[in-house]
Amino acid sequence: KAGVTQTPRYLIKTRGQQVTLSCSPISGHRSVSWYQQTPGQGLQFLFEYFSETQRNKGNFPGRFSGRQFSNSRSEMNVSTLELGDSALYLCASSLLGDTDTQYFGPGTRLTVL
Amino acid sequence: DQQVKQNSPSLSVQEGRISILNCDYTNSMFDYFLWYKKYPAEGPTFLISISSIKDKNEDGRFTVFLNKSAKHLSLHIVPSQPGDSAVYFCAASAPTGNQFYFGTGTSLTVIP
Repeated sequence: KAGVTQTPRYLIKTRGQQVTLSCSPISGHRSVSWYQQTPGQGLQFLFEYFSETQRNKGNFPGRFSGRQFSNSRSEMNVSTLELGDSALYLCASSLLGDTDTQYFGPGTRLTVL
Repeated sequence: DQQVKQNSPSLSVQEGRISILNCDYTNSMFDYFLWYKKYPAEGPTFLISISSIKDKNEDGRFTVFLNKSAKHLSLHIVPSQPGDSAVYFCAASAPTGNQFYFGTGTSLTVIP
């Protein structure tokens, strides 16, 4: 079974631009969560989608948004990029969410100049 | 506010010895805990979990201990191997939500 895939793997943007990241979960998984990883902050939860609905949201500004499609693929969008948005963005899929084990993708490394 | 804390950013251990990674949490509602291992340029991979009804869970060389009164959990790796060198994250969740809270990670180096 293929793992979680994320595209692109690396991205360089400038301040003020917007970016869209994509995540394809493991086949059959309906829950997709997004995390931001920065040095010293660990993994910070962004949001979780289940069956196209956002079920839970972390403490991030409204510039961070996401959506999930009927095939469970998910996208994350960041508008008006700031330097501090430079981070590794990870998505994780699980069968049902809740306390299911999450399987992480390799991440998208975003650099904002 | 960091609800899950890993106060040791790094740890070095000789091959064959025990590695002990620690994690503290502040939210008494947390009832499910996991450890993830992360190699560079890869996403975290699930290692072992424990629910609050237990105080110990073993899987091969990996054992997680939970001390609910101290709000502390630890991961023991015995014996440590060079391939265990990675960053280890602990994570916790409460029964009311689907959100996992992660620590900042501990970088383990196992010296051959």
